[in-house]
Parts: sequence; structure tokens; C-alpha cells
Amino acid sequence: GAVVSQHPSWVICKSGTSVKIECRSLDFQATTMFWYRQFPKQSLMLMATSNEGSKATYEQGVEKDKFLINHASLTLSTLTVTSAHPEDSSFYICSARIPSGGPSTDTQYFGPGTRLTVL
Amino acid sequence: DAKTTQPNSMESNEEEPVHLPCNHSTISGTDYIHWYRQLPSQGPEYVIHGLTSNVNNRMASLAIAEDRKSSTLILHRATLRDAAVYYCILVNNNAGNMLTFGGGTRLMVKP
Repeated sequence: GAVVSQHPSWVICKSGTSVKIECRSLDFQATTMFWYRQFPKQSLMLMATSNEGSKATYEQGVEKDKFLINHASLTLSTLTVTSAHPEDSSFYICSARIPSGGPSTDTQYFGPGTRLTVL
Repeated sequence: DAKTTQPNSMESNEEEPVHLPCNHSTISGTDYIHWYRQLPSQGPEYVIHGLTSNVNNRMASLAIAEDRKSSTLILHRATLRDAAVYYCILVNNNAGNMLTFGGGTRLMVKP
């Protein structure tokens, strides 16, 4: 099956620093990737949709200047949390879509997640 | 957005079948029913999806009610590795395949 990797799997940083998280589709090309955030004991919340070669589309309430998304190639999307603060501590998960005949039937393949802890 | 309703949690015994229900009474004709599951500290994984007919794959079966207002994910023989949160999600072309995760059902499997 399709594999999506994330790096790093976990990161601890000081408040005010920036952290970059990579999401790679290992055996397929993904024109669209998605970034989610999950707080403890909560469900996943979509942050943004990342399209290769164009600007990301952010969900309401997500600061695009704080969460920078770059999708420079068909196999790599990056999420940079700028000037991270403790409230940004969360589990960040990316996914990539494999087209299969229409968006309604497309399957999303998720990365293993990156746990960010901001001290 | 058409929403889904699932029980917060369910328990099962190992090697017994599990039926996970999902209500989606406001489903539209073009909504597909997708199921994903999330094991502890991992990203979600795709389980199965369908439109009107029942579906089977190596992981599970999906039974869809005739009026499509509910569906049931069936794990034929639960194992300890099936302990996870199971999400029932409606997906529509108009939403660009975005997945909106609800609370899901936390399945606990007892040995």
C-alpha cells in the first residue's frame, strides 16, 4: 500500500523557535496533501490543504503566517511552525490523497504523525 | 456538512465479531461513506468505503442500510491490534475529498 512518512517523529523546542515538519509520499506522487492537528484526547482537525506548485488553502482560524506550508514537489510537503509557543504543542499529522476516479472515492494515506512539544 | 453520529466507545472480546454503528441521517445522494481508524499515537489509516452496496475487503466489511441513513463497520474477528478509534466520515466531491473527523468510536478489545 501507499506509504507516507513524516520527519521528525517527535520534536521538543524552546518557545519562540521555528520547527519544520516534513511529509513525504514514498511510493506515489501526491498533488494534494493535507495537514491536521490533534490535541490530546481530541479528534483530528484539518489545518490546511497543500497543493503542489500553489499556495496552501487554510481552514478558518488557522494563521497562515504562523503555519507555513510549502509543497514544492509531488512527493514533499513541509509545515513550518514559526515562533512556536506552548499552546502549539500538539500531534501534527499529514496525509496524501491517491486519486481513484473522483474525490469522493479517493483514499487518503496518513503519515505517522509528529509530536511537537514547545517548552 | 452531513454529519455522522457514533457511540463514544465499545468493547469487544478478542476473536469475536465487532459491529461498529454509524448514523448519518442527513446523508446526500453523492456522499460516500468512508471509515478510517487511528491506533494509539499513530496517524489514521483507511479501512473501507462505499456508496450504496455492501463492501468487503481484507480488513473489514461495510454494511450500508438501504436508505443509507446508517452503516455498520464489521470486523469479523477482533484482535488486540484492532483496538483503535474508528471514524465514520462522509465524503463528497463538493468538499474536495476533505475529511472531517468527528469523535469516532473507541474500540477496546479484551483478551
